[in-house]
Amino acid sequence: GNSVTQMEGPVTLSEEAFLTINCTYTATGYPSLFWYVQYPGEGLQLLLKATKADDKGSNKGFEATYRKETTSFHLEKGSVQVSDSAVYFCALSTYNQGGKLIFGQGTELSVKP
Amino acid sequence: EAGVAQSPRYKIIEKRQSVAFWCNPISGHATLYWYQQILGQGPKLLIQFQNNGVVDDSQLPKDRFSAERLKGVDSTLKIQPAKLEDSAVYLCASSLATSGITTDTQYFGPGTRLTVL
Repeated sequence: GNSVTQMEGPVTLSEEAFLTINCTYTATGYPSLFWYVQYPGEGLQLLLKATKADDKGSNKGFEATYRKETTSFHLEKGSVQVSDSAVYFCALSTYNQGGKLIFGQGTELSVKP
Repeated sequence: EAGVAQSPRYKIIEKRQSVAFWCNPISGHATLYWYQQILGQGPKLLIQFQNNGVVDDSQLPKDRFSAERLKGVDSTLKIQPAKLEDSAVYLCASSLATSGITTDTQYFGPGTRLTVL
């Protein structure tokens, strides 16, 4: 079945450090890929998405590129801030499963000043 | 634009009791989802409605969980009787999607945190 695997957390970085959170997926068909973020005490919010191979999603300085050949969708940011501390979820959806989201287990990011 | 509303935000019950959660999606959104998020895990779909019809309830434990979406708007998720392993955050999400469109953004509510003692 379809699945998403993320690197385990927690990830602790100093402010202005480079961030990479790895995400790989298994899916039949052509999935759409998403990164959601959950800030402390808040609900899940869409951070970015990509709908076909080689697409790059970007938002708030975060980027991720849909790599079909490596079945990956790694999240990157060049310079993290304390306000980026949150839990990040990689997810996919496929047409043959009605568009429901299948999530990875989440990666907690903590950014220290 | 108002977001997805859920209530209550927190609920504590004893095992074998019943509980109900309510969700009001974003106005005009055809598709409504209920997800269960156990601590330390990603959300898992319980049930998906399109308007007031069920699209996917394959992961819903139907011996104890039930859900309905009246008039294609609000939805209620019920657990009866609750077990210890039902302790989780129950998330409601909605999207404009009318036919399993995979690119549509799902908007999530704040969730209901259930603790079963």
